[in-house]
Amino acid sequence: DSGVTQTPKHLITATGQRVTLRCSPRSGDLSVYWYQQSLDQGLQFLIQYYNGEERAKGNILERFSAQQFPDLHSELNLSSLELGDSALYFCASSQGGGRQPQHFGDGTRLSIL
Amino acid sequence: GIQVEQSPPDLILQEGANSTLRCNFSDSVNNLQWFHQNPWGQLINLFYIPSGTKQNGRLSATTVATERYSLLYISSSQTTDSGVYFCIPYTGGFKTIFGAGTRLFVKA
Repeated sequence: DSGVTQTPKHLITATGQRVTLRCSPRSGDLSVYWYQQSLDQGLQFLIQYYNGEERAKGNILERFSAQQFPDLHSELNLSSLELGDSALYFCASSQGGGRQPQHFGDGTRLSIL
Repeated sequence: GIQVEQSPPDLILQEGANSTLRCNFSDSVNNLQWFHQNPWGQLINLFYIPSGTKQNGRLSATTVATERYSLLYISSSQTTDSGVYFCIPYTGGFKTIFGAGTRLFVKA
């Protein structure tokens, strides 16, 4: 058990819809990272937050947004969903950022029908 | 940004065999992490290793930061070792770059 909790584990929805994925980091970790893993793209870094502030952006679409709340949990919002958004979405946390080891949640499997 | 290359891309082993997985990276790194993604999709942390060698049971890892590579050794492989192995080299920046992974299948 990594200590990182992601909910829900599975999500099935339709094109055009909006969903919210939730992540609770390990106790004491200030950084949260979001990743997307699709069959044809591998593991892609989306965005990182540190203590409530955005620190780095990767290949995150404009239809996607994220935030980290004062209690350090984070949410990833995906809107206007397309079939290609079907993927496994991971959250990871670390104490700091940049060189600290990351610990991954079990992921949310999103299926768009 | 840093480029990460993992080899081989695919590997099939007979149970009990040994293997070496390689992670090459293009820039200086502060640290490096190896993960195993099991067939259920979970990402399991194996090693966090800036330099030198670490061992954990049948697995060990060696990072030679000056030569920009890391190796993951799997000895006496088991079917439960199947999955994809990823490395993440840490440069001190905030974007995380994964290698494409090595897909391992261990036959019983």
